Amino acid sequence: GAVVSQHPSRVICKSGTSVKIECRSLDFQATTMFWYRQFPKQSLMLMATSNEGSKATYEQGVEKDKFLINHASLTLSTLTVTSAHPEDSSFYICSAHTQGRNQPQHFGDGTRLSIL
Amino acid sequence: AQKVTQAQTEISVVEKEDVTLDCVYETRDTTYYLFWYKQPPSGELVFLIRRNSFDEQNEISGRYSWNFQKSTSSFNFTITASQVVDSAVYFCALSAGGFKTIFGAGTRLFVKA
Repeated sequence: GAVVSQHPSRVICKSGTSVKIECRSLDFQATTMFWYRQFPKQSLMLMATSNEGSKATYEQGVEKDKFLINHASLTLSTLTVTSAHPEDSSFYICSAHTQGRNQPQHFGDGTRLSIL
Repeated sequence: AQKVTQAQTEISVVEKEDVTLDCVYETRDTTYYLFWYKQPPSGELVFLIRRNSFDEQNEISGRYSWNFQKSTSSFNFTITASQVVDSAVYFCALSAGGFKTIFGAGTRLFVKA
């Protein structure tokens, strides 16, 4: 079946580093991808909607200059956490959507980001 | 506004007990989708079911069953004869008015042997 691959699965880095997370749809074209963040013992909060070939739409309270999203092709969206700080430590999950309301959303396995 | 409420934060049961996880949703859209996902300790989201707003038929899949009631805006999930491997966080989610999916707060299920 359809699979979304997210890489890396875990990142540990120093404060001030920029971290890029990739989300790939492996056997389907994803016109829309979503990026979620999940803090420990909390729910998934939508950060932004990534549309192929256009600018991402950010949810209220999410800094677009902090969380850069690029969806340059129908199979790849990237989230870059710029100048990461400890408060950015979280579990980031992407999901990919094909066109059409009847198509299910497919989730990646998530990236656990730890900023020291 | 769209909202998903999972009032049960944590549930603890003993193996072989049946358990029902509640989900209440709010939306003004007449066309919407409801989902249940399982998140084991490893973190990945496991898709369990998707139901559209026009299909109120209840569904059974093995030990899992879902009860969709539009009249009460509820989409409850029952696990029959629970097992230790069912221990996880379960999220109910709603997609309406577009592709965005809103998640409930989740219910953490502990199944003790």
